[in-house]
Amino acid sequence: NAGVTQTPKFQVLKTGQSMTLQCAQDMNHEYMSWYRQDPGMGLRLIHYSVGAGITDQGEVPNGYNVSRSTTEDFPLRLLSAAPSQTSVYFCASSLTGTAYNEQFFGPGTRLTVL
Amino acid sequence: GIQVEQSPPDLILQEGANSTLRCNFSDSVNNLQWFHQNPWGQLINLFYIPSGTKQNGRLSATTVATERYSLLYISSSQTTDSGVYFCAGDSWGKLQFGAGTQVVVTP
Repeated sequence: NAGVTQTPKFQVLKTGQSMTLQCAQDMNHEYMSWYRQDPGMGLRLIHYSVGAGITDQGEVPNGYNVSRSTTEDFPLRLLSAAPSQTSVYFCASSLTGTAYNEQFFGPGTRLTVL
Repeated sequence: GIQVEQSPPDLILQEGANSTLRCNFSDSVNNLQWFHQNPWGQLINLFYIPSGTKQNGRLSATTVATERYSLLYISSSQTTDSGVYFCAGDSWGKLQFGAGTQVVVTP
């Protein structure tokens, strides 16, 4: 098992550009989520999905879109990047369709918006 | 959502020392998890512990759900224990993280 994989590892964008952060898991997990980590603030939930075709907003969803067309993939789209979106982004997954289980995290994507 | 407070924010330990990290919640949580983020940024799940006590090697955790807190014990600390320790609890199916405890273990 590769676990949870994320690409790219690093990315630099200019303000206004769009991009997609990729996340995939090969553990047949139903629940997937995206977090951002900023210094001194822990991790904050952006969007999550309890299964294919179902997504919902977390604590800080503005400026981000998600979709879940397959169980394995959960991409995060930045529509028009802003400097405030400079952060480290983590994707996570767990077995069943809620957060009530052990979470497995990907290695993270470090994003800088100039 | 629930508020999660971790203490202390920073901890410096000499190798071999023991320590206790604390996590307080503003409201009842249905489950609680502890994570370790190593100096390279990788997040590893240490414990899924909605209540009671669990042990894994030199680490153990206790959650007292009725009193809304959890404790993480590090015994005989090693330099590889350095990093940030996060606790997280669910609020309506969403994990809420604390700000973390930065631990530095010196040789």
